[in-house]
Amino acid sequence: GAGVSQSPSNKVTEKGKDVELRCDPISGHTALYWYRQRLGQGLEFLIYFQGNSAPDKSGLPSDRFSAERTGESVSTLTIQRTQQEDSAVYLCASSLVVQAEAFFGQGTRLTVV
Amino acid sequence: QKEVEQDPGPLSVPEGAIVSLNCTYSNSAFQYFMWYRQYSRKGPELLMYTYSSGNKEDGRFTAQVDKSSKYISLFIRDSQPSDSATYLCAMRGTGGFKTIFGAGTRLFVKA
Repeated sequence: GAGVSQSPSNKVTEKGKDVELRCDPISGHTALYWYRQRLGQGLEFLIYFQGNSAPDKSGLPSDRFSAERTGESVSTLTIQRTQQEDSAVYLCASSLVVQAEAFFGQGTRLTVV
Repeated sequence: QKEVEQDPGPLSVPEGAIVSLNCTYSNSAFQYFMWYRQYSRKGPELLMYTYSSGNKEDGRFTAQVDKSSKYISLFIRDSQPSDSATYLCAMRGTGGFKTIFGAGTRLFVKA
């Protein structure tokens, strides 16, 4: 695709449910990043992938959060047993290689009720 | 203390004004400095990308980095209503992958 695509755009879920957020990076981009943006705050780094490997998972807030990437393409961020504090916009970005310019998707707005 | 500090604003200016947006940081290892623009309900888009100290100009936008003061700025000349957005500064070190973002400054340019 022409840009980074994220789905769904919006997700409302009940507390305690699991959610999966999807990111389709720009074709050929080897690096992929997940960020969380709470209302009125900057971007909080969650995890990045180099190919299908995630060298650093230290940004994930808790063990309820996990992410995977397959085929050096699509990535999914899974949040288990969602809590109200998980409500935020989850942004995905990709770059040709690590440290190159990163292009962001439009984000998934998650609301936990 | 946050690694990157940025005044959240909002900043309101009349059309045609010169806008100055700033960030301070504490980590002297940061070498790459970026400015992103984020419209409401959109992902951030890269505006300026600079390495180490100095100035970089692109059209109406000028980015300045002063590593000795750990201070970066973005200037917008002849501001337009279409410049109304949130501006995020971001930075990282050499060899690093983790980009640290400021909280963003909301800018309103009034026609």
